[in-house]
Amino acid sequence: GENVEQHPSTLSVQEGDSAVIKCTYSDSASNYFPWYKQELGKGPQLIIDIRSNVGEKKDQRIAVTLNKTAKHFSLHITETQPEDSAVYFCATADAGKSTFGDGTTLTVKP
Amino acid sequence: SAVISQKPSRDICQRGTSLTIQCQVDSQVTMMFWYRQQPGQSLTLIATANQGSEATYESGFVIDKFPISRPNLTFSTLTVSNMSPEDSSIYLCSVHGGTGGKDTEAFFGQGTRLTVV
Repeated sequence: GENVEQHPSTLSVQEGDSAVIKCTYSDSASNYFPWYKQELGKGPQLIIDIRSNVGEKKDQRIAVTLNKTAKHFSLHITETQPEDSAVYFCATADAGKSTFGDGTTLTVKP
Repeated sequence: SAVISQKPSRDICQRGTSLTIQCQVDSQVTMMFWYRQQPGQSLTLIATANQGSEATYESGFVIDKFPISRPNLTFSTLTVSNMSPEDSSIYLCSVHGGTGGKDTEAFFGQGTRLTVV
C-alpha cells in the first residue's frame, strides 16, 4: 500500500519567516495531493491541494509544489503569522482512499 | 462541501465498556470513513462504511472490536467495544467531496476524544 513520509515533525519559525514542509510518497498511482491543517480540538481542514497534472499551485501565502518523477511534494507558507501555528498533514489519495503523513507541528513565534 | 456533526465530542469510559460514536452528514454520500488519531500521531484509517453492505476494515482492525453501522446515506456509527486504555484516542468521521470518481478533499467531523480509565 501507499506510504507517505513527512518532514520535519516539528518546525518553529519567527513571525514573518517562511515555513517549508516536505512529503514523499511511494505509490505512483496516487493522483491527488491535499494538505490539511488541524487546530487543537478540531478535525483536519483542507488548506490547499494539487493534482498530478500540475507542478505548482499558489493561494495567497500558501503554495504547494509537486514532483511526480521524484514522488515528493512540499508545502510553502510565506510571511507566517501566529495563527498559522497548528499541525499540518500531507496526504495522497487514490480511488477514494487517503493516506496521511505523520504531521508537522508548526509554531510561529510572535 | 460537506458539514459533519459528530458526537459525543469527548467521553471518559471505564475499561471493559463500549462507546458508540455517531456521525451525521448534511448530504448523501456513498462512502464514510472512520479514522483513529492517537495522541500526537497521524490519522489511521479504521474502516470504510458503505450503505447497504458490510464495512471494509483495514489491516489491524476487526469488526468485533469496531462494529460499524451505516443505515442510510447520511449517517454512520462506530462502536469501540470492550475498551482498554490502549483505545484512548481521537476518533474521526470523514467523507470525500465530489462525484464522478475523482479524488477530492476529505471533510472531517470535529472528532471524539475518548479516554479509557
